[in-house]
Order: sequence, then structure tokens, then C-alpha cells
Amino acid sequence: QVQLQQWGAGLLKPSETLSLTCAVYDGSFSDYYWTWIRQPPGKGLEWIGEISHSGNTNYNPSLKSRVTMSVDTSKNHFSLRLSSVTAADTAVYYCARENGFSIDYWGQGTLVTVSS
Amino acid sequence: QSALTQPRSVSGSLGQSVTISCTGTASAVGGYNYVSWYQQHPGNAPKLMIYDVYYRPSGVPDRFSGSKSGNTASLTISGLQAEDEADYYCCSYEGIYTYVFATGTQVTVL
Repeated sequence: QVQLQQWGAGLLKPSETLSLTCAVYDGSFSDYYWTWIRQPPGKGLEWIGEISHSGNTNYNPSLKSRVTMSVDTSKNHFSLRLSSVTAADTAVYYCARENGFSIDYWGQGTLVTVSS
Repeated sequence: QSALTQPRSVSGSLGQSVTISCTGTASAVGGYNYVSWYQQHPGNAPKLMIYDVYYRPSGVPDRFSGSKSGNTASLTISGLQAEDEADYYCCSYEGIYTYVFATGTQVTVL
């Protein structure tokens, strides 16, 4: 059974950098793309970007200038960094697995709050 | 990025059918058969219900079905059950290796 477990700082100040990591268990790490999605409180989902096991990345154009994704294949981990955060970046952030052109396994979500 | 539009809410009685539309553009929804649908209960992560417009993952009840016509995809729930009350989101691949989610629809079971 595929499991994704994520962690990272939950409270940031404006201008800081958000950093989250996701560990993949039994997920055939090298066979898929891995993605980050966020959901502001009470709002809809937003695709942030994706990364392959070899480090190929694709980002949401609206976030591209601030997003960096990386992968550690030795640990089956992938990570998200979002720089210069503002209150608008307050959201639940999910890591997930892309299977073809859909998302079939999700992490538990991490609430990240940006507040001074 | 393209914008995908869903009705804010739909409702139906137990046992009835409801259909949620997802309207996009020629590049998103219309351009590819890569539309997926997700169900989200409060406090939980989304769950994949339909992929590639029509297909149900293993374990998803067959009362959930997907379709597409032109730039509009649809999710139909036939024989509405109490546990179907949730938010539903469509998502489309829009080329250039990006994806876009729609605004979401709250389904209420009366």
C-alpha cells in the first residue's frame, strides 16, 4: 500500500521560505512523477508543480519564480521550497503521486500559516 | 493558466442523480482526454474518483461516471448516497506539462 508522509514548518513570517518534505513508502518512487498541491482555507485546490525521480520539474507558471522542488532518491523523499511567502500562501499543502495524468495517492496535508 | 469553472453547489435527494459540470477551454479539458475528478470530505485529503475522463479506479462505486463533450467535462453520481455529500473538484492537464484544478462543487444530499 502506497503511503506518503509529509512534514515541515507550519508557521512562517512574511518573506520567509516555506520548506516541506514528503517521504514515499511502497510507492515505486522511480516510476512516477511526484507533485505538490495546496488548498487555502475554505478554498479550492491549486497545482504547484511536479518532479520526477531524476529531478525533472514542471511548475505552475503563476508560482514558478518562487518554487523549487528537489528529490532525494536514496531516501525516496521529495521536497518543496517556496520563497518570499506572504499571507496569500497560507494553505494546506499536500504531497501526492501522479499516475499518468491523475493523482492517485495523497499525503495527509500540512497546514502552513504565514503571519507576522 | 486556464481557468476551469464548476457550479458552486448542487443538491439531490437520496437515490437521485446529480451531474457536476467542469467547463474549460480548448487547451484545458477540450484539448486532452486527461480530466480527473476528486472527492474531498471536510478535513480529509482529496480522493481520486475518475481519471482520463471516463475511468474509475478500483474501489470507486460504479454510481460515479465521467464524460466529456467539447470543452466541458461532467461527473454524474447516480443513486445518490449520504456518504456522497462532499466537495468535488475536476482537474485537467492543459499541455506544456501543467495541470489546472477547477473551483470545486459542494454536493448536498437532501
